[in-house]
Amino acid sequence: ETGVTQTPRHLVMGMTNKKSLKCEQHLGHNAMYWYKQSAKKPLELMFVYSLEERVENNSVPSRFSPECPNSSHLFLHLHTLQPEDSALYLCASSQGHPTGSGGYTFGSGTRLTVV
Amino acid sequence: DAKTTQPTSMDCAEGRAANLPCNHSTISGNEYVYWYRQIHSQGPQYIIHGLKNNETNEMASLIITEDRKSSTLILPHATLRDTAVYYCIVRVNFGNEKLTFGTGTRLTIIP
Repeated sequence: ETGVTQTPRHLVMGMTNKKSLKCEQHLGHNAMYWYKQSAKKPLELMFVYSLEERVENNSVPSRFSPECPNSSHLFLHLHTLQPEDSALYLCASSQGHPTGSGGYTFGSGTRLTVV
Repeated sequence: DAKTTQPTSMDCAEGRAANLPCNHSTISGNEYVYWYRQIHSQGPQYIIHGLKNNETNEMASLIITEDRKSSTLILPHATLRDTAVYYCIVRVNFGNEKLTFGTGTRLTIIP
């Protein structure tokens, strides 16, 4: 366990389904992130939340909708996904300098398959 | 973030030191060098970071050249569990500056 917990670990959903990915951290970090990792591609940053406010949205389609209700929880709501959205979705948290190393702590990810 | 260049893949014999190079010739004065690794189908794991001095922790050592244009991550006694993709990233270390991953080096430890 890294201190960042993601659920579920695996998810299979149809293109018309609505599902949510959950991320939880109890490290006292003040920022949380969603990354996407498709097969044989580098990790892609999707969303950044700092102090519960979204500070970055990297041109992610609207079928992905993040939510950060408090500093410990982050959600990614999914609806009307496409098969090409199948990937490993990773959550991370960090504590900004100077109190932290600047390093990110990642969860183990949710392996999403869209059928 | 400054761009980094790493070899696509490397092999290392179990028990030997694994030396992973990284070039970052356009690094700025306030940018740190970070190393992460990702074991298959898991989230990346922080290893070590440094600015200009060499650093060592329980996982690895980081050697940064005097001109800071390149660095080497050293795993002193590689084990099979060190097989992973290793990412070298340069970024400033303030606030929650985003972490941008490249393709990394796939390190395979050979029994």
